[in-house]
Amino acid sequence: RKEVEQDPGPFNVPEGATVAFNCTYSNSASQSFFWYRQDCRKEPKLLMSVYSSGNEDGRFTAQLNRASQYISLLIRDSKLSDSATYLCVVTTDSNYQLIWGAGTKLIIKP
Amino acid sequence: DTAVSQTPKYLVTQMGNDKSIKCEQNLGHDTMYWYKQDSKKFLKIMFSYNNKELIINETVPNRFSPKSPDKAHLNLHINSLELGDSAVYFCASSQGRGGFYEKLFFGSGTQLSVL
Repeated sequence: RKEVEQDPGPFNVPEGATVAFNCTYSNSASQSFFWYRQDCRKEPKLLMSVYSSGNEDGRFTAQLNRASQYISLLIRDSKLSDSATYLCVVTTDSNYQLIWGAGTKLIIKP
Repeated sequence: DTAVSQTPKYLVTQMGNDKSIKCEQNLGHDTMYWYKQDSKKFLKIMFSYNNKELIINETVPNRFSPKSPDKAHLNLHINSLELGDSAVYFCASSQGRGGFYEKLFFGSGTQLSVL
């Protein structure tokens, strides 16, 4: 089982719809969680950190479910500009390493 | 001003050649990284330096040698390039030593194609 798993997609979603995808992690000792966004042929950029209590940033909501070992990202009122690959990142211990998922590709259609 | 800049953006070369990729950050961060993203889009850590000290050295062929002349620069030198080295290489930096709660800032990537 991979340490961090994501559905590769692509998720094809009409503009204005709500979309959600998950990321599962294998190590129950995982401590911190992030969502990064990567546009085609560009570098990853931090979208948001994921806190235990869940957090929201505008149209984006991130949640953590420790019992089932997954994090989720919900995008409301999706825009064409939300089309990208969303990468899940998990840190497990103090060895300074981030474990990256392979990403979920999202395509927003007009 | 670009926060993390790496050069060149594209690098096309023949098998067996030696090449270097340069990276500089002007964020005042203490830690810099090299990542490799292959065709399957997995981002894999290669090296990490904190204040010029090597802190992560993953299982990478010793043909890859990082060099950090100061904490704002981390270069990657690759000897005897092989076809399998073709990938996008990203430089990144973070404020602290990495790990918990660290946010990474990436350069725009170097697309390496070995022919």
